[in-house]
Amino acid sequence: GENVEQHPSTLSVQEGDSAVIKCTYSDSASNYFPWYKQELGKRPQLIIDIRSNVGEKKDQRIAVTLNKTAKHFSLHITETQPEDSAVYFCAASIPNFGNEKLTFGTGTRLTIIP
Amino acid sequence: GAVVSQHPSRVICKSGTSVKIECRSLDFQATTMFWYRQFPKQSLMLMATSNEGSKATYEQGVEKDKFLINHASLTLSTLTVTSAHPEDSSFYICSADTDTGDEQYFGPGTRLTVT
Repeated sequence: GENVEQHPSTLSVQEGDSAVIKCTYSDSASNYFPWYKQELGKRPQLIIDIRSNVGEKKDQRIAVTLNKTAKHFSLHITETQPEDSAVYFCAASIPNFGNEKLTFGTGTRLTIIP
Repeated sequence: GAVVSQHPSRVICKSGTSVKIECRSLDFQATTMFWYRQFPKQSLMLMATSNEGSKATYEQGVEKDKFLINHASLTLSTLTVTSAHPEDSSFYICSADTDTGDEQYFGPGTRLTVT
């Protein structure tokens, strides 16, 4: 099955600086790569996603890049703010006739230092 | 956007008892729902995929007789933890997807504590 690795496990960034989180996946058939932000005790919230036919996607301060050849994708947060502090998870899914299941990375605890 | 609810949000039960958790899609029909378990400071681990009107598909290592899943309608799936033990204490989260996209919409989660 699919295996998703995520690095780093923890990341501390000065407010205003950029943060980058990287993930790799194992199954070349994966075609959907979402990123989730989870605050303590809350549900994961989708912040951005990318599909395999696109190399980069941006939404304000958040961007995701995908390298299908290398099977890795990254989350970039620019101009970080204290409210960006949370745990971030990457995920990947493989087409499966409507039953696409997500495989999650191990998570990155991002701390923004004021 | 699509909204998924879960009930209860928290439950404490005694060892050996059973607990039912409900997952509802409020404004869309969900042919597929997913159940995850998340231990403290860990990632979400998929337990099973639930399809309306058919048996759930369990991930390797998840006991289907212990974690009973029912998806009787297009808006409701239930997870019953039978004969719960302290090691079953965890955060259980459901999600649902629509027929039109890959995105999964997550419920708020249920924190189960077994004493």
